[in-house]
Amino acid sequence: DTEVTQTPKHLVMGMTNKKSLKCEQHMGHRAMYWYKQKAKKPPELMFVYSYEKLSINESVPSRFSPECPNSSLLNLHLHALQPEDSALYLCASSRGDDSYEQYFGPGTRLTVT
Amino acid sequence: KQEVTQIPAALSVPEGENLVLNCSFTDSAIYNLQWFRQDPGKGLTSLLLIQSSQREQTSGRLNASLDKSSGRSTLYIAASQPGDSATYLCAAPTSNDYKLSFGAGTTVTVRA
Repeated sequence: DTEVTQTPKHLVMGMTNKKSLKCEQHMGHRAMYWYKQKAKKPPELMFVYSYEKLSINESVPSRFSPECPNSSLLNLHLHALQPEDSALYLCASSRGDDSYEQYFGPGTRLTVT
Repeated sequence: KQEVTQIPAALSVPEGENLVLNCSFTDSAIYNLQWFRQDPGKGLTSLLLIQSSQREQTSGRLNASLDKSSGRSTLYIAASQPGDSATYLCAAPTSNDYKLSFGAGTTVTVRA
């Protein structure tokens, strides 16, 4: 199984809402990532978890809050977002050793109104 | 810091023609290089990963080469089909860590 799943596929939220994005993998990977992708741009790294610990935070605003409850699951909690946060949010995973091949999920299309 | 460039930004070819997609990188001490495909509004699909010790990697109609000395990787797609229409991105880790530097991508249209 080389699949990374993400839910929901689409999300529309107001600027005062709180919502969460979920990502799951069952490949035994120990590194998991959140990316943000705007239209016609490459993905931008937001966070990296390695062995369930946050190892990289690319200076992401605190209205985005990641969580890694276990080695298979990664959440991104959203609160008080801005319209400019509307984007495709991608989750990825990799083995977490010296193999950095990343596998991506299908993404969540987020619209902030 | 690894910087990755893809030229051209867009490419249109008739069905059946071979595709050649270019990727350049600045740090020749590359760990590996990964090619992805992205359909509009979808996630990235990993196509091929070439380790720094490899010169090329093949999967079906796809062949990717890596030349560290010139800072280049090329993705060849043989006998293109309309279903190959997508954006192709290359990416390489920034030295030995988890961060991937992505190129801006080449958007391919294969005309039937």
